[in-house]
Amino acid sequence: QVQLQESGPGLVKPSETLSLTCTVSGTSINSTSYHWVWIRQPPGKGLEWIGSIYYSGITYYNASLKSRVAISAETSKNQFSLRLSSVTVADTAVYSCARRFLGSSSWFDSWGQGTLVTVSS
Amino acid sequence: DIQMTQSPSSLSASVGDRVTITCRASQNINIYLNWYQQEPGKAPKLLIYAASNLHSGDPSRFSGSGSGTDFTLTISSLQPEDFATYYCQQSHSTPPTFGPGTKVEIK
Repeated sequence: QVQLQESGPGLVKPSETLSLTCTVSGTSINSTSYHWVWIRQPPGKGLEWIGSIYYSGITYYNASLKSRVAISAETSKNQFSLRLSSVTVADTAVYSCARRFLGSSSWFDSWGQGTLVTVSS
Repeated sequence: DIQMTQSPSSLSASVGDRVTITCRASQNINIYLNWYQQEPGKAPKLLIYAASNLHSGDPSRFSGSGSGTDFTLTISSLQPEDFATYYCQQSHSTPPTFGPGTKVEIK
């Protein structure tokens, strides 16, 4: 059974960097069939794809966040991470990691529970 | 970016009702449309992929249809565990984008 679990600080100060890690169990992130992604959901709002990483290390980012985002992977620990710099209150959200199946179509087939990150001084 | 809209934004229904949720894309996305269910405080769960394919383990009362720009999620007979928020998501283009959600509440 595939499981994803987010971890990291729940409170970040404005202008600082948000850092989260997703630990994956039940499967290897070294797979050609999946992207490993970060998605966020501000309180009361919809879902926003932040970016993805492929097993090769290639990354894809939402253009709206690209200048502030970095996603990396540590395959030996079966983890991948998110860094979002220069955060503002608008970055307050539930951050979730997920797995995106790649095929003729694609979809997010496994999700972590999500972790609330609040940006506040 | 492809914009996704959903209607209605919320609905009230009773157990046993047939429920239909509509999703519209701002441009042709063929069948690259997925549906997710999110219960309060929980992660979204994949329900339907590629417009009409039921995800493994999900009840057959859920079905999806459509292609191009207009899509539908149908719950044939609403059950107590189906009260949740439903999101559509397009996978035609990067970035993948989601609809704003439809909240299904108990009447």
